[in-house]
Amino acid sequence: EAQVTQNPRYLITVTGKKLTVTCSQNMNHEYMSWYRQDPGLGLRQIYYSMNVEVTDKGDVPEGYKVSRKEKRNFPLILESPSPNQTSLYFCASGGQGGIYGYTFGSGTRLTVV
Amino acid sequence: GESVGLHLPTLSVQEGDNSIINCAYSNSASDYFIWYKQESGKGPQFIIDIRSNMDKRQGQRVTVLLNKTVKHLSLQIAATQPGDSAVYFCAEADSGGGADGLTFGKGTHLIIQP
Repeated sequence: EAQVTQNPRYLITVTGKKLTVTCSQNMNHEYMSWYRQDPGLGLRQIYYSMNVEVTDKGDVPEGYKVSRKEKRNFPLILESPSPNQTSLYFCASGGQGGIYGYTFGSGTRLTVV
Repeated sequence: GESVGLHLPTLSVQEGDNSIINCAYSNSASDYFIWYKQESGKGPQFIIDIRSNMDKRQGQRVTVLLNKTVKHLSLQIAATQPGDSAVYFCAEADSGGGADGLTFGKGTHLIIQP
């Protein structure tokens, strides 16, 4: 089954404790992105990647890092999480040309206390 | 900056009626548009897309209309069913075909009344 898999689904952590949210896709897509979703603000892009070793900032990159060492994986790293990073996070992947849009993962609900 | 927006945060319709959800965008360079459906507790799910060289595209029970003159996008859902209850987002990509991701509107919550 074609899918984007994120882990974990839920995470509660403390301020300053580094964490990684994993994202993997099995569709051989070139494009991958991370979004955060907050009430009243919709989905905002954090980082995106056009291919292996090619990443760039989205609209809200502060406090986040990403890497794209392999085509299928695009982890999101929070080096020192803060409470304002409490949010619902989505990873998405898309094929070249954007055909059929992006496929989204099921989301990661992160709470930073 | 560029943005994609929706006119109504909530839309309530009777089961069996047709629904129309609207979206306005401001980026003239937008080349590709997508409608997503998000059910509670799930990620956005692709519904239908349209490129800027088209003004209408139809799927199963859904139609997307694009008016580039006024930068307006709409999603029409025919004969709405209880399973259509969800938040609907429009999204746009520029001429890069979405390589740098998508810009989303804030969403319209579609409520189906029995």
